[in-house]
Amino acid sequence: ETGVTQSPTHLIKTRGQQVTLRCSSQSGHNTVSWYQQALGQGPQFIFQYYREEENGRGNFPPRFSGLQFPNYSSELNVNALELDDSALYLCASSSKGRGYGYTFGSGTRLTVV
Amino acid sequence: AQSVTQPDIHITVSEGASLELRCNYSYGATPYLFWYVQSPGQGLQLLLKYFSGDTLVQGIKGFEAEFKRSQSSFNLRKPSVHWSDAAEYFCAVGADFGNEKLTFGTGTRLTIIP
Repeated sequence: ETGVTQSPTHLIKTRGQQVTLRCSSQSGHNTVSWYQQALGQGPQFIFQYYREEENGRGNFPPRFSGLQFPNYSSELNVNALELDDSALYLCASSSKGRGYGYTFGSGTRLTVV
Repeated sequence: AQSVTQPDIHITVSEGASLELRCNYSYGATPYLFWYVQSPGQGLQLLLKYFSGDTLVQGIKGFEAEFKRSQSSFNLRKPSVHWSDAAEYFCAVGADFGNEKLTFGTGTRLTIIP
């Protein structure tokens, strides 16, 4: 079975720009969760998508938005980038109701300058 | 709201020595508890999890953890570490199966010396 694939692996953006990060979920999984991991910190829950709808959101402003597609892949969009948005963004796929069976991707390292 | 505290930011252990990483959680009901490991530039790999039942949980790579409700702890242990165990370790708590959100601690970085 394929794992979780995230793209791109690294990118650099300028403050105020917009960015889209992509995640392909593991085969058989129908749920995607996104986490932000700042340097030296643990991952923080951004939101989760199930059946193409947001299914829970953490303490992140509306400029963080997402999508889930019929094939269960997902996008994370961040508008009006701020310097503090610099972080590793992790995507995790799972099958809802099967007990946190997360599979994490390797992440996208975003640097905002 | 749930929270996780990992009191040790950095631990150094000699290869072959035993290891214990501390984790304390805060949650009103029975939590779901996890330990993940992260190698540099990598995502998170699940070492073990506790949902219910036996409070001593066995995981991969020879790790185990013990749930102690009275101490709100879920410490990770390994009897003999290997150089390949050097990594960042995260404890996490989940509240319910509704949206399966995880709350992570800030992590403990493990260094192994020969």
